[in-house]
Amino acid sequence: QSALTQPRSVSGSPGQSVTISCTGTSSDVGGYKYVSWYQHHPGKAPKLMIYDVTKRPSGVPDRFSGSKSGNTASLTISGLQADDEADYYCCSFAGVSTWLFGGGTKLTVL
Amino acid sequence: EVQLVESGGGLVQPGGSLRLSCAASGFTFSSYEMSWVRQAPGKGLEWVSFISNSGSIIYYADSVKGRFTISRDNAKSSLYLQLNSLRAEDTAVYYCVGQWLLQRFDQWGQGTLVTVSS
Repeated sequence: QSALTQPRSVSGSPGQSVTISCTGTSSDVGGYKYVSWYQHHPGKAPKLMIYDVTKRPSGVPDRFSGSKSGNTASLTISGLQADDEADYYCCSFAGVSTWLFGGGTKLTVL
Repeated sequence: EVQLVESGGGLVQPGGSLRLSCAASGFTFSSYEMSWVRQAPGKGLEWVSFISNSGSIIYYADSVKGRFTISRDNAKSSLYLQLNSLRAEDTAVYYCVGQWLLQRFDQWGQGTLVTVSS
């Protein structure tokens, strides 16, 4: 199974919204409601931001939201802040014994 | 506070072996599934291996099957990954990850770097 497809980079100005896409297949993203998103500041531990496509763990601001349509999931960050600048990875449960990650998207806050 | 602290990384020659450890604290280790996830330099994240809370269910990514072995010691709140027959493409930061639910990766360690090079 191949990695999920994400854009390599996105950018936005403070206060704006950005959306990061994550494209898979019917065997992963499209077949399960188990897409999650992770924020990774280089040198630090990755952090779970969204799980089960749309749910936010406790402590994650509601500026972060997730959605899915067919084989493509999306992460939207509204009200961009400087600290949102990081790498973002999507992940999909792909059946018993497999989890697939995306290649990562670098978010730049202009 | 939940903490996962990896150790055991380093420089190893192709074909060599290494054992990674992960010390867990701040939660009931024996109640949760665990995984190892790695990130090669300049690349994305890659799931490597999973172990159930009891250790009775184990999965591996195809890229490491037959070469890596995951294990855990619930009495010591520790997770392990034995890396054998190492290749240059195994060079990566290896993260120990707690899964409070099967379909997500809740808590990550800071990672330990494995470099395979002659």
